[in-house]
Amino acid sequence: AQSVAQPEDQVNVAEGNPLTVKCTYSVSGNPYLFWYVQYPNRGLQFLLKYITGDNLVKGSYGFEAEFNKSQTSFHLKKPSALVSDSALYFCAVRDRGSTLGRLYFGRGTQLTVWP
Amino acid sequence: GAVVSQHPSWVICKSGTSVKIECRSLDFQATTMFWYRQFPKQSLMLMATSNEGSKATYEQGVEKDKFLINHASLTLSTLTVTSAHPEDSSFYICSAIQGAAYSQPQHFGDGTRLSIL
Repeated sequence: AQSVAQPEDQVNVAEGNPLTVKCTYSVSGNPYLFWYVQYPNRGLQFLLKYITGDNLVKGSYGFEAEFNKSQTSFHLKKPSALVSDSALYFCAVRDRGSTLGRLYFGRGTQLTVWP
Repeated sequence: GAVVSQHPSWVICKSGTSVKIECRSLDFQATTMFWYRQFPKQSLMLMATSNEGSKATYEQGVEKDKFLINHASLTLSTLTVTSAHPEDSSFYICSAIQGAAYSQPQHFGDGTRLSIL
């Protein structure tokens, strides 16, 4: 069974400070891992993905994420938060052995960056 | 690149009417498209997986006669909410994968806000 856990419903951080949004996963095989961001009344925008190789992946808007196989985690990070980063963030996983292509999403973490 | 267009963005209609939502991949071919439903402040709930030229695969609990999905071409999938009622009011989002490359991300439309009066 596939599942994704985002343990924090809400993350608050001051502008200019580093941010972390946590994600852990459970898949039956090896995962493809993704982070998406959603702004109000919009669809999801792709931020970054882990497929293979370097455990630290860099994505859009200065975000990065670190894949940790032993801890089955894929935390999203940014060295210096911006007010415009305030949005809803989703972690997602796909079993690379699946032929269906479906994603399993976490419940989302609302990030608020205050000036 | 990899743009998905969803139309309409907002629909308000009377109970009992049917509503069609279109999802188009503008600059790539999408063998597989997905339809999601999202309730306020909640995650996405997968309704069905749509494959070009074949019947959609519905998730458990989703009424296939209520939510008709057609994926007639590699760039277009439609979701029709038949005989809509207030409980069908929600935010519907589609996504598409380029070709059959499942290592690639799903690309999402901007969603359709459906309000049934």
